[in-house]
This record gives sequence, C-alpha cells and structure tokens, in this order.
Amino acid sequence: SQQGEEDPQALSIQEGENATMNCSYKTSINNLQWYRQNSGRGLVHLILIRSNEREKHSGRLRVTLDTSKKSSSLLITASRAADTASYFCATDVGDYKLSFGAGTTVTVRA
Amino acid sequence: ETGVTQTPRHLVMGMTNKKSLKCEQHLGHNAMYWYKQSAKKPLELMFVYNFKEQTENNSVPSRFSPECPNSSHLFLHLHTLQPEDSALYLCASSQEGHPNYGYTFGSGTRLTVV
Repeated sequence: SQQGEEDPQALSIQEGENATMNCSYKTSINNLQWYRQNSGRGLVHLILIRSNEREKHSGRLRVTLDTSKKSSSLLITASRAADTASYFCATDVGDYKLSFGAGTTVTVRA
Repeated sequence: ETGVTQTPRHLVMGMTNKKSLKCEQHLGHNAMYWYKQSAKKPLELMFVYNFKEQTENNSVPSRFSPECPNSSHLFLHLHTLQPEDSALYLCASSQEGHPNYGYTFGSGTRLTVV
C-alpha cells in the first residue's frame, strides 16, 4: 500500500532557484529514501535518511526528516536544467520493501 | 548503465500473446523486485525475491508469473494480459542488510497491450 505522498505534484522553477518538495507518510518507518526519475527511465537513488536522523546533505541536496509529523522534505539548491525530473520519496518500515509515492515533477526553466 | 539491465526496452503485445521480461543485475545484490509504474500513480510493488526465494506477492493477477532462477536473474512471464496492464515495468535490486542500502533500478520495459 502507498506510504509516501509527495507535495506538490508539480513544480516549475527558474534555473538557479531552489526547489523544495515534501513527503508525508502514515506509519512508523525505519528509513526514508529519495529517488529521481528522468522521463521514461528507471529511478535513481539519491539519499537515505534513517529514522533517528533529522537532516542529511549530499552535494546540492538537503533532506530533512520529522518523525513526529511523519514528514520529510527534499531541497535542491541552485537548480540546473539537468535537475528536471520526477522525484519520489520511498519509505521502509523495516522489511526492505520500499513503498513509493506518486512523485513530484520538477521542471527547471532556462 | 546502472548495473541492472532490463530487456526488452519496449514491448507491444496482443492480449492473447505470451511474452517474458528479463532483468539481470551485476551488483552481487541479494534481493530483486518487480514494480509496475502507471501514469500518475505510485509505483506498485509486484514481487520480491530474496536469496532466490519469493517473499512477496502483492495480490498480483496470475497472468503475471515471476521466475528467479538465480540471484542475478529475474523474469516476469506475461500471458493473456489486459489493456490496463500497459505500463512501465521496473526491475530493481538491493543488498538487504546493508546499512546504506538503496534500490538500483533498471531502465524499465515499456509494455503496451493492444
């Protein structure tokens, strides 16, 4: 069953701006992961944050996790045209079976 | 190339056909997965294989039949499909138990049922 739900469904920004998307989930998790999907391709793992972590960075990506609100956010700083993609959050309740949301489609305008 | 290879990339089949999707991983992972991705919907987990044993079958119709002959190969056999089965089928692998595990996905098979 679906765990994560991303918001907004779509986001359009200018190159150089920051992009923020959120993920809410329903039950306690072991970890939460973010993935990127370019049009019609497979998903690419971006970052994993454990339930006992609050913030994590990877290059221009910053992920936060608030387990009390059952929510996470992904921030992409200084966006580039190559960041145009769909972004998915996925939750693991401890059984290694990831549940994905429907994704946020990000368009970066030149 | 991600280390997970799916073939074919595109497949058009009639409702009475039988076809198979193939997935191969070169990462030494111990778990493999089939997901279905339909437009505007969350990815649906279909099957999970851990150490070649099927551990999950998410109420998938019997017209989808998985096969995992070894830890590197995964097949999805298709027969008498319906038009609503048209979707992107994604294979993934992971190393269960690794603290920083994440899924590695193949590029998918775009299936169209006519």
